[in-house]
Amino acid sequence: EAGVAQSPRYKIIEKRQSVAFWCNPISGHATLYWYQQILGQGPKLLIQFQNNGVVDDSQLPKDRFSAERLKGVDSTLKIQPAKLEDSAVYLCASSPRASGRVSPPDSYEQYFGPGTRLTVT
Amino acid sequence: AQRVTQPEKLLSVFKGAPVELKCNYSYSGSPELFWYVQYSRQRLQLLLRHISRESIKGFTADLNKGETSFHLKKPFAQEEDSAMYYCALLNAGGTSYGKLTFGQGTILTVHP
Repeated sequence: EAGVAQSPRYKIIEKRQSVAFWCNPISGHATLYWYQQILGQGPKLLIQFQNNGVVDDSQLPKDRFSAERLKGVDSTLKIQPAKLEDSAVYLCASSPRASGRVSPPDSYEQYFGPGTRLTVT
Repeated sequence: AQRVTQPEKLLSVFKGAPVELKCNYSYSGSPELFWYVQYSRQRLQLLLRHISRESIKGFTADLNKGETSFHLKKPFAQEEDSAMYYCALLNAGGTSYGKLTFGQGTILTVHP
């Protein structure tokens, strides 16, 4: 099966500009995640979708970050305006599992995309 | 709050030597833990999960609830094991079931 796709792979912008990232999860996966990975740190969850609804956005800086998953498939993550500290790799992941349902262990394995490396200058 | 700690940012061993990557966690419930690996120029991928009690590429990891640890071990390291390794803890409660909390990662380098 095709893996999680992300675009662009690299993006360089100036501070105060806006940027958008796109993610196409594995077909049929109910849950989609956006992570931020700052250099030298592990991935940090920004937002989790189940189908087209948000289930966790507690760590999303909502004053500048927004995300949507229209029709429960593709997702976009936007930053407006960008700050220097937003420089990071943005990872998208998907998993088959839907929250609240009894599922086999394999269904919550997360499959990651290649990431988008954002540099804010 | 759940937390994952990987105390070593860098770990170097020689080929054929045993390797142990440390992971400690903090979680109030019954933990579900994973090891993810990222090889050079590849995407992050699951290596193994504790619930499956499996051995993947010679790696094993045992959950020690008393010590709140989930160390990754391999008796004989190979050069192809060189990669970044992340320990991750699954949020097993509430609507955000499936959320992973990652440690900071350990870069493993296996020298020939």
